[in-house]
Amino acid sequence: RKEVEQDPGPFNVPEGATVAFNCTYSNSASQSFFWYRQDCRKEPKLLMSVYSSGNEDGRFTAQLNRASQYISLLIRDSKLSDSATYLCVVAEWAGNMLTFGGGTRLMVKP
Amino acid sequence: NAGVTQTPKFQVLKTGQSMTLQCAQDMNHNSMYWYRQDPGMGLRLIYYSASEGTTDKGEVPNGYNVSRLNKREFSLRLESAAPSQTSVYFCASNSLFEQFFGPGTRLTVL
Repeated sequence: RKEVEQDPGPFNVPEGATVAFNCTYSNSASQSFFWYRQDCRKEPKLLMSVYSSGNEDGRFTAQLNRASQYISLLIRDSKLSDSATYLCVVAEWAGNMLTFGGGTRLMVKP
Repeated sequence: NAGVTQTPKFQVLKTGQSMTLQCAQDMNHNSMYWYRQDPGMGLRLIYYSASEGTTDKGEVPNGYNVSRLNKREFSLRLESAAPSQTSVYFCASNSLFEQFFGPGTRLTVL
């Protein structure tokens, strides 16, 4: 079983749609959680950290459910520029090694 | 401030050849990492260095060696390249809150 599992997609959505991705992790000792974004043939970049209380950054909302060991990312009002692969990432503590999920590919169509 | 830099960007090797991938960061981070990413897969950790002078194996270390030359530089060596090592290689370094990636090296082993 992979330590961090994601639906690989692709998720094909029209512009303006709301789309949600989920991710599950197996290490109950994980304390730090992130979503990274990776554009085609580019390096991953941090999209947002995920806090226990949930957090929002513009059109992006991240949620954490420690009891069920899953993390979600909600994108509202999708833009063409949101097309990318979204990587779910966990770590045992801040600054520790990261464990990456396989990524979920999003394609936003006009 | 260049962040994380990697050389070369592209490389084609024949089976059995050797090469070294170079990585440097100018953010004064202690921790540095080497990952590989294969099509449709997430990032897999090859080796990491928690601080200058230390290195440890990650998930897929076989066929690779590393050197943490100083705080800035962390190199990855393939002693005898194999077709299974065809991949995109990313170097990264950590702050407490974020991992920063280099642009990647696309390696093909024929």
